[in-house]
Amino acid sequence: EDKVVQSPLSLVVHEGDTVTLNCSYEVTNFRSLLWYKQEKKAPTFLFMLTSSGIEKKSGRLSSILDKKELFSILNITATQTGDSAIYLCAAGGTSYGKLTFGQGTILTVHP
Amino acid sequence: DAGVTQSPTHLIKTRGQHVTLRCSPISGHKSVSWYQQVLGQGPQFIFQYYEKEERGRGNFPDRFSARQFPNYSSELNVNALLLGDSALYLCASSLAGVNTEAFFGQGTRLTVV
Repeated sequence: EDKVVQSPLSLVVHEGDTVTLNCSYEVTNFRSLLWYKQEKKAPTFLFMLTSSGIEKKSGRLSSILDKKELFSILNITATQTGDSAIYLCAAGGTSYGKLTFGQGTILTVHP
Repeated sequence: DAGVTQSPTHLIKTRGQHVTLRCSPISGHKSVSWYQQVLGQGPQFIFQYYEKEERGRGNFPDRFSARQFPNYSSELNVNALLLGDSALYLCASSLAGVNTEAFFGQGTRLTVV
C-alpha cells in the first residue's frame, strides 16, 4: 500500500528561524512529489518535483527530491508569522493521478 | 482566471441522507480528483476522473460515487450518510491525468448529525 510519512508532526519556531520539513514515501510507480501549504481550507500548491537533486525555489521556500533514498525536504528560511500553516507532502504514482498524502506538519511561527 | 470552485462551502446533513457536492475545474483542465480530509489527517483519495472517465478509485465504500460532465465539472455523491463521513471534501483540478500539478478548491465542509 502506498505510504507517505512526514516529520516532524509539529514544529514551533520564532520569526527569522530556518526550518526543514521532511517527507519520505513508498509509492508504486512513483512519478512526482508535491508540497502544499494548508491554512484554512484549500491546500495551496507550492512545488512539484520529479527529478532527483534539482532544487526548486520560490522566495524563501525551497525543496529537493532524492529518488534513491525516497525522500524530499522543504526548507523555509527567515520564517514569518504568515508561514504558520500545515505543510502537506503528497506523492503521485500508478498510472493515474492519485496523490497519497502524508499527515502533514503543523508549523507555528511566533513573533 | 478562476481557480477551482466547489459548492456548497458548508453543509449539514442527517444520518441516512444523501449529499451531492460539486466542483468546477480550472478552465482547460480535464482531470478532476476528489479527496476526503478528516481533521488532523492528510487528504485521502476518493476518485479521479479524466476525460469524463473514472481512472482511479480509492478505498471508499460503494456509497461514494462520482461523475464528470462534458464541460469537465464533476459531482461527488454520497448515499446513506454516516457520522464518520463528516469531513472536508476537496476537489483537485489538473491538466492531465498524471504527472501534472494539481490545484485544490476551497472544499466543502460536510457535517453529518
